[in-house]
Amino acid sequence: EVQLVESGGGLVQPGRSLRLSCAASGFTFDDYAMHWVRQAPGKGLEWVSGISWNSGSIGYADSVKGRFTISRDNAKNSLYLQMNSLRAEDTALYYCAKGSSPSPLEWFDYWGQGTLVTVSS
Amino acid sequence: DIQMTQSPSSLSASVGDRVTITCRASQGISNSLAWYQQKPGKAPKLLLYAASRLESGVPSRFSGSGSGTDYTLTISSLQPEDFATYYCQQYYSTPPMYTFGQGTKLEIK
Repeated sequence: EVQLVESGGGLVQPGRSLRLSCAASGFTFDDYAMHWVRQAPGKGLEWVSGISWNSGSIGYADSVKGRFTISRDNAKNSLYLQMNSLRAEDTALYYCAKGSSPSPLEWFDYWGQGTLVTVSS
Repeated sequence: DIQMTQSPSSLSASVGDRVTITCRASQGISNSLAWYQQKPGKAPKLLLYAASRLESGVPSRFSGSGSGTDYTLTISSLQPEDFATYYCQQYYSTPPMYTFGQGTKLEIK
């Protein structure tokens, strides 16, 4: 059974940093691209970032480019999102999602339950 | 960037109804479209990919169609568990830049 468990969310002041983690199990982690998708309270889904199986291809939404960094550790079956210079508009539930192939250019077939990030002073 | 426009934004229907949700891309996306269902407090769930391919385990009352810029999700006979919010997503952009539609909230009439 595929499981994706996010952690690292919390309350953080504007301008500060936070690092999210996603622990994956139930599939061969290094065979698939992985993504972060967020959902602000009461709003729709917004793709944040994605990374190919070997970290050779990485993409970011314009809203986070230059502030967020995605990475993965295939030996630890883990995905990460380093979030710097956080803003109030980054407040959201952050989901880890599994890509359907090694390439990042595919759909997302499994999602975690999310970790909540609140940016507020 | 490719924009996805989903309609309607909300829809009231009854159990047994046939409903259709549409998604329009700002440019052709060559069937690189997925549909997700999200229930309150839950993560999204994949329903269809490649515009019309049903994900394993998803009931056959869900179907998808379309080409070019225009796509539809159809639920042939609504069941009580189908009341949820539905999102389309394009995965055509290179470099990868995914876009979701704004969502359609399907409510019980």
